[in-house]
Amino acid sequence: EPEVTQTPSHQVTQMGQEVILRCVPISNHLYFYWYRQILGQKVEFLVSFYNNEISEKSEIFDDQFSVERPDGSNFTLKIRSTKLEDSAMYFCASSVREGIGSYEQYFGPGTRLTVT
Amino acid sequence: QKEVEQNSGPLSVPEGAIASLNCTYSDRVSQSFFWYRQYSGKSPELIMSIYSNGDKEDGRFTAQLNKASQYVSLLIRDSQPSDSATYLCAVKGRGSTLGRLYFGRGTQLTVWP
Repeated sequence: EPEVTQTPSHQVTQMGQEVILRCVPISNHLYFYWYRQILGQKVEFLVSFYNNEISEKSEIFDDQFSVERPDGSNFTLKIRSTKLEDSAMYFCASSVREGIGSYEQYFGPGTRLTVT
Repeated sequence: QKEVEQNSGPLSVPEGAIASLNCTYSDRVSQSFFWYRQYSGKSPELIMSIYSNGDKEDGRFTAQLNKASQYVSLLIRDSQPSDSATYLCAVKGRGSTLGRLYFGRGTQLTVWP
């Protein structure tokens, strides 16, 4: 069964450094998402992406964040200058369509980001 | 801010029992609802989606939706120790937030042998 993959599984970085988290969505899916989950807290939406453009972003997704689909398979999240509070699990998700209705989003295994 | 509320638990049931998980949401015009299971340290795994009022069954799982009461539930029949996890209720946004999922904090379920 197709699944979303993410690399790396764990990333440790120092405050102020740039990180790039990578995702390969399910191959026939067109809509891509990033979520994060700080330890012990809710899963929170960051951004959605379709047709090489951001569809929607949350208040969390500030100028430090960017997303890109550099080729036909990868979808990346870049954090330009990491802060301690960016430490979280970052999940990539994809869906075949987006709209009113039960268009399911499938999540990847996540990248645990630790900022020291 | 759309709110999705769940009892945090923990909910503890014996093996073979029915586990009942509940969720309420604040935006009365929400139309798409999802249940995810999350094992500790892992990612959310989709269990079920429900769109229409009433019940939807898939194996041992039944999702129930009551839009008038803004209430979604998940029943797990014949609970197994492997069902022990946190169950997340998610509601899809609408309008300009159509793609976004709003998650509850999750209910931790323990099924003891």
